[in-house]
Amino acid sequence: DGGITQSPKYLFRKEGQNVTLSCEQNLNHDAMYWYRQDPGQGLRLIYYSQIVNDFQKGDIAEGYSVSREKKESFPLTVTSAQKNPTAFYLCASSSSDRVLNSPLHFGNGTRLTVT
Amino acid sequence: AQSVTQPDIHITVSEGASLELRCNYSYGATPYLFWYVQSPGQGLQLLLKYFSGDTLVQGIKGFEAEFKRSQSSFNLRKPSVHWSDAAEYFCALDSDMRFGAGTRLTVKP
Repeated sequence: DGGITQSPKYLFRKEGQNVTLSCEQNLNHDAMYWYRQDPGQGLRLIYYSQIVNDFQKGDIAEGYSVSREKKESFPLTVTSAQKNPTAFYLCASSSSDRVLNSPLHFGNGTRLTVT
Repeated sequence: AQSVTQPDIHITVSEGASLELRCNYSYGATPYLFWYVQSPGQGLQLLLKYFSGDTLVQGIKGFEAEFKRSQSSFNLRKPSVHWSDAAEYFCALDSDMRFGAGTRLTVKP
């Protein structure tokens, strides 16, 4: 079955360390997204990519970096510059760069805890 | 500026009662609107979507939503809530997928 896989489900890191969250999709979708979810704040867009080797900042990109070397993969690195990295991170994809007729398909998320 | 607002952070209903979750949007043209549901610790699942045409949209799990341009609203409804509907619900707007803050639904037995 096609879908989006985020790994790992839980991730623990020490403050000051960079950490990379994995997101892989086999839906043949062009666009991929990273969201951060905090209680009471809904989903906030970190980065998105409409095509391989191209990506754009979302609303809260500071302290994060991404790459899109392959269509099916969109890893997110949480750097030590991110002041409050502990959160639930969701990856999503859609079949076009603008979801005018295509909703987002989500992975099951990675919960990152930084101490 | 585009935005979507869900005024209710938390709603509690009794099982079997009707449900309405509110969503208001701000957008200069015809919006494309979505409702998603999220179970604890999981990703989001699409419930329904509105692009144009009929203002009453049917979705999965017995949900429906009504688009009202005059009120800039896209409220989600269900006639009879089941205990399994307890979850967080998100309204989302258009192609850059801006989400509301979510409404957490609790279902009382």
